[in-house]
Amino acid sequence: SQTIHQWPATLVQPVGSPLSLECTVEGTSNPNLYWYRQAAGRGLQLLFYSVGIGQISSEVPQNLSASRPQDRQFILSSKKLLLSDSGFYLCAWSMGGPTDTQYFGPGTRLTVL
Amino acid sequence: AQTVTQSQPEMSVQEAETVTLSCTYDTSESDYYLFWYKQPPSRQMILVIRQEAYKQQNATENRFSVNFQKAAKSFSLKISDSQLGDAAMYFCAYRSNTGKLIFGQGTTLQVKP
Repeated sequence: SQTIHQWPATLVQPVGSPLSLECTVEGTSNPNLYWYRQAAGRGLQLLFYSVGIGQISSEVPQNLSASRPQDRQFILSSKKLLLSDSGFYLCAWSMGGPTDTQYFGPGTRLTVL
Repeated sequence: AQTVTQSQPEMSVQEAETVTLSCTYDTSESDYYLFWYKQPPSRQMILVIRQEAYKQQNATENRFSVNFQKAAKSFSLKISDSQLGDAAMYFCAYRSNTGKLIFGQGTTLQVKP
C-alpha cells in the first residue's frame, strides 16, 4: 500500500531564515505531488504541484519554491522566511487519471517568529 | 473559476444521532469530482467519500453518505450513528478537469456524549 511521509512534523524558525520541508511517497511510481498551506481554522490553499521529476507548477507567487529531485520526493523551500509563512503545510499525492484522488500526508506545522 | 462554499462554520450532534453538513459549489464544467475530507485534531486530511458528477447514485461509505444534487450544485454529507471519533473539521472539495482541488472553508463538527 502507499504511504506518504512529511518531516519535520513541527518547526519553529526565525524570520529571514531558510526553510526546507520534505515529502516522500512510498509504494507507487510517478505520482502527482502537491503542496498546500492551511492557515489556522481555514481551508487549504494549493501552492505547488508536480506531475513528474523536475516539473513544477506554481499556483501562488510568493517567496516559497518547490523542487522534485526524485520521482517520489517533493521539497518545499524558502531562502528567507516571512512571518506570513507561518501555517500548516500539507503534502499530497495522487495517481492522476479520470478517478484522480488526492491523499494527504501528516503535515508540518511551521511557526515563524 | 470554481468555488466551494460551506455555510456552516460549526455543527454539533448528539452521539448516535444523524447530522448533515452542507456544501454548495459553482462551476461551468459538466464532468468533475466532489470529495469530503475529514481533518481531526491531528490535522491530517483523511478522505471520507468521493462522488463522480456523472453518476446519479449517491456515494455511500459505511455511516457516511452524500446527497448529490447536480442541478442545484449541492453536495451534502450525512453522518449516521455519530460517534465521538467523528468530531473533526470537515472539508468539501471540488476537483476540476485540470486535476486541481478547490476546498471549502470547512465545518467543525462537535459530537456530544
